[in-house]
This record gives sequence, structure tokens and C-alpha cells, in this order.
Amino acid sequence: EPEVTQTPSHQVTQMGQEVILRCVPISNHLYFYWYRQILGQKVEFLVSFYNNEISEKSEIFDDQFSVERPDGSNFTLKIRSTKLEDSAMYFCASRLGQGEAEAFFGQGTRLTVV
Amino acid sequence: DQQVKQNSPSLSVQEGRISILNCDYTNSMFDYFLWYKKYPAEGPTFLISISSIKDKNEDGRFTVFLNKSAKHLSLHIVPSQPGDSAVYFCAAVEGVVDMRFGAGTRLTVKP
Repeated sequence: EPEVTQTPSHQVTQMGQEVILRCVPISNHLYFYWYRQILGQKVEFLVSFYNNEISEKSEIFDDQFSVERPDGSNFTLKIRSTKLEDSAMYFCASRLGQGEAEAFFGQGTRLTVV
Repeated sequence: DQQVKQNSPSLSVQEGRISILNCDYTNSMFDYFLWYKKYPAEGPTFLISISSIKDKNEDGRFTVFLNKSAKHLSLHIVPSQPGDSAVYFCAAVEGVVDMRFGAGTRLTVKP
């Protein structure tokens, strides 16, 4: 069964460093998302991506964040200068298209900023 | 962003009984509503969805009810099993892209 894969599963980084979280969405899906979940809190929307551009972003997704689909298969989330409060589980999701509401999630990347 | 709300952070039920998980929303433009189940250290897994034009969708032990006038949906699990213990997220989709999640409800099913 097709699945969304995320790497790495756990990333530890020093405050101020750049990190890139990688995702491989399901191959024929058209809509891509990043969400995060700070420990014990709700799943928060970060950004949605369609047709090689950002469709919508939340207030969390400030200038420190960027997304890219560099090669038609990977979908990456970059945090330029990490802060302690960026520590969270980051989930990538993909969705086939309009009329298909179900989004499939990856297993997540646990980012720990020290 | 409080467009989707799950006001009960936790719910505990006995095995074999009914679990009812509730969700409220404020945006009348949502097209679909979904329930996801999440185990620790895993990504959310899709459970069941309902279109805004329906009021009920059933899949095995899981039934979702939608009350558009009250902007309320609920997930019923009958009978509840210990393996159902997880965090359940309500989500809503508007238009092409937008998907928003509630805060989640932790369900514990006791043997």
C-alpha cells in the first residue's frame, strides 16, 4: 500500500542551526502539507502546497520556514535558524485531490532543538 | 485558529460500551469532516469521513454523525475495544486545500 515516508525519524540540532525535514508523498497525490505537534498539544497546521507553490500558511510559518519540492518526489521543510520552541513532531501529509478529502500522514520526524 | 474544537481532552469507557467523541466547528464553509486516530510516536491514521451534504456515515464499528445546524459532529465507536485506546482528532476540509484539526481527545478503553 502506498505510504508517505519521512526522514529522519529523529533529528537533534543545536539552536540556531538549519534543519531540513524530508518527506516523500504518495506518488500521484497533488496536495501536500506540513503539520507539527508540540508534545502534549494539538496538531497545528503549518503550510499547504499545490502546483509547486504555497497555497496557504499559518501564522506559525514565518520567514524562518520554507518548503520545496525540488525534484518532483521529495517535499521538504526547512527551518533556517532553529529555536528551542521549534522542538516538536513534524508530520507531512499528502492528498490526492479535490473530492478526495482523506489525507495520508507520514510517521513524523521528531525534532529536538537543544 | 479555533475553527475546529474538541472540548473534551480525555474520555474513558468500559470495553464493550459505546464511545462518543465530539467535535464542534465554526466555519460553515467546511466541505468534509474527518476523524483520525493517533498512537504515540506515529502519524495520524485516517478513520472515517463525512461529506457536509450527509448527516451520517457508517463503517463497521465506527459511525460519524454531522449536525450542520449545530456545527457539531460526533464519532461513535460501538462496541469499544481496548485497541481503540488512542488520541482521536477531528479534522475539517474547506475547498481544495485547507485542512484544520481539533486539539484531540484521548480515549481510554478499559478491559
